Amino acid sequence: TQLLEQSPQFLSIQEGENLTVYCNSSSVFSSLQWYRQEPGEGPVLLVTVVTGGEVKKLKRLTFQFGDARKDSSLHITAAQPGDTGLYLCAGGSARQLTFGSGTQLTVLP
Amino acid sequence: KAGVTQTPRYLIKTRGQQVTLSCSPISGHRSVSWYQQTPGQGLQFLFEYFSETQRNKGNFPGRFSGRQFSNSRSEMNVSTLELGDSALYLCASTGTSGYTGELFFGEGSRLTVL
Repeated sequence: TQLLEQSPQFLSIQEGENLTVYCNSSSVFSSLQWYRQEPGEGPVLLVTVVTGGEVKKLKRLTFQFGDARKDSSLHITAAQPGDTGLYLCAGGSARQLTFGSGTQLTVLP
Repeated sequence: KAGVTQTPRYLIKTRGQQVTLSCSPISGHRSVSWYQQTPGQGLQFLFEYFSETQRNKGNFPGRFSGRQFSNSRSEMNVSTLELGDSALYLCASTGTSGYTGELFFGEGSRLTVL
């Protein structure tokens, strides 16, 4: 069974601060995805990383896939209250994704 | 393009009852999967259907079942409800054949078992 561990579980920061969320596994994944979920809604895909060592930037969000394809990180620069939400990493195929436990991020104005 | 639609959004049942949840995928999407989300266990995969066939099943008891219709709409059923079945049930669809691609999630059906 492939497991994904996320850290930290909770994160509360002030607007303008930077943060990094980690997603780790003992298994190799062919790709990893990051989703964000807001209250009352389903998760929404932010990015998919497929190549070891890959770095993708989405405005203030930077995603990195580890060289060994066992871990990934999400870095947010100058966080804003609109970044508040549950961040989930997920691996496996679209037929059956394994999700991490999630990081609940709160950005205070 | 309309998103994934799940009904009902909220429901309350008592132990021992059964429940049926419905999911209409994005038009043209043939793969529909179901996930259970709880505070303790997070998001866990239930099953996935493609062209009316269940291709993958997660580690849930037989009380959890599902099906997919020829128009790709899907239903899941939970029989003999237990308190621990209280959760947000999420449906997702994808337009790819399954191995890669983005999952589009619905808003979920929140089930409370009393």
